[in-house]
Amino acid sequence: DAGITQSPRHKVTETGTPVTLRCHQTENHRYMYWYRQDPGHGLRLIHYSYGVKDTDKGEVSDGYSVSRSKTEDFLLTLESATSSQTSVYFCAISESKGTGTALNEQFFGPGTRLTVL
Amino acid sequence: QKEVEQNSGPLSVPEGAIASLNCTYSDRGSQSFFWYRQYSGKSPELIMFIYSNGDKEDGRFTAQLNKASQYVSLLIRDSQPSDSATYLCAVNRSDMRFGAGTRLTVKP
Repeated sequence: DAGITQSPRHKVTETGTPVTLRCHQTENHRYMYWYRQDPGHGLRLIHYSYGVKDTDKGEVSDGYSVSRSKTEDFLLTLESATSSQTSVYFCAISESKGTGTALNEQFFGPGTRLTVL
Repeated sequence: QKEVEQNSGPLSVPEGAIASLNCTYSDRGSQSFFWYRQYSGKSPELIMFIYSNGDKEDGRFTAQLNKASQYVSLLIRDSQPSDSATYLCAVNRSDMRFGAGTRLTVKP
């Protein structure tokens, strides 16, 4: 998994509780991403980071926040989990964002399966 | 209309046959195109990328891109049971957009 770990790998929580997922990379890549994967929807971008303390929203950012205090760590927080946030969450990394002629090859972590009851 | 569309399948082919996976996209400004393979319960794994019109071959895999038709495909020659997985098409302009994937089954 290209030097990417995610923790926890599985989590069951209750509606209304806060949840934080962690992504850790050893590749020193500038860009880090959080996706969720749901049946029929494929992978959808939640938030991404282009450097320490630099983050931006993705396609489905409502209800999620992120932080990146070190190059290697990217945290995803669900402030108050809802059942609609039950999903598999993947972290990904890349060296570039793919603008111009630069390719955006993204490499994925092993995923976190989150269940919100 | 979804930004990246794939036939969800399942696509079933016999061992040794050619599997053809197709993907269309809506953003004409898209610049790079990727195919990922995802085994059940696992994370997506990059298998090929292409950014110029035409064909790109890597072993048993060939990616084909036609920007005028907004179409990208993946051919898998001599399909093996180990190729059975879901294949995700991804298209990049400023952000990466993924299709929902096509499930491929290769029968021995």
